[in-house]
Amino acid sequence: DVKVTQSSRYLVKRTGEKVFLECVQDMDHENMFWYRQDPGLGLRLIYFSYDVKMKEKGDIPEGYSVSREKKERFSLILESASTNQTSMYLCASSLWDLWGQRYTDTQYFGPGTRLTVL
Amino acid sequence: DAKTTQPTSMDCAEGRAANLPCNHSTISGNEYVYWYRQIHSQGPQYIIHGLKNNETNEMASLIITEDRKSSTLILPHATLRDTAVYYCIVRGPGDGGSQGNLIFGKGTKLSVKP
Repeated sequence: DVKVTQSSRYLVKRTGEKVFLECVQDMDHENMFWYRQDPGLGLRLIYFSYDVKMKEKGDIPEGYSVSREKKERFSLILESASTNQTSMYLCASSLWDLWGQRYTDTQYFGPGTRLTVL
Repeated sequence: DAKTTQPTSMDCAEGRAANLPCNHSTISGNEYVYWYRQIHSQGPQYIIHGLKNNETNEMASLIITEDRKSSTLILPHATLRDTAVYYCIVRGPGDGGSQGNLIFGKGTKLSVKP
């Protein structure tokens, strides 16, 4: 079974603090993702990485940065937390798979971190 | 925008089969149908995916119509723990990089009742 773990289930921080969210996967997956999920807005992609030290911006990268120094670990950093970054943060990982003569990737999610910024 | 349409909610009796429909009338030939579910306050859980043939795994079966414009996720013996929001997602194949976004629509809230 794929296992994606996140460092905290619940986190409370103050405005202006630097926040680190860590994600670890144990299946040697190439791709890793950070999303946030807010009521009525669904999942929004913040950043993703398809290899060590590689990163790509998603739809809402502003206010965030990421780090992928090892294949199994993908960190999301809030440089200076703000109240509008209060959200559920979800990490996912995936592996390219040949399926019906085409490649696709199935994303597996961690349990989520509910971050509250006061 | 999500490329799929699902009913907002459904009920199912415990032990019975739950059949969750999804319309994806604009699906293109190289796009897959994925199903995920999300139990309250947890991360989404992958269930199954398919291209054109019906698929089955330990969690569910996926029936895709011949024209691929709709599909049905079947949970053969629903339990109370299957109560969740179920998302049907259409995604294309990758081009060597990640496909990036998983676009979740509103999904179907399935309530399994004793």
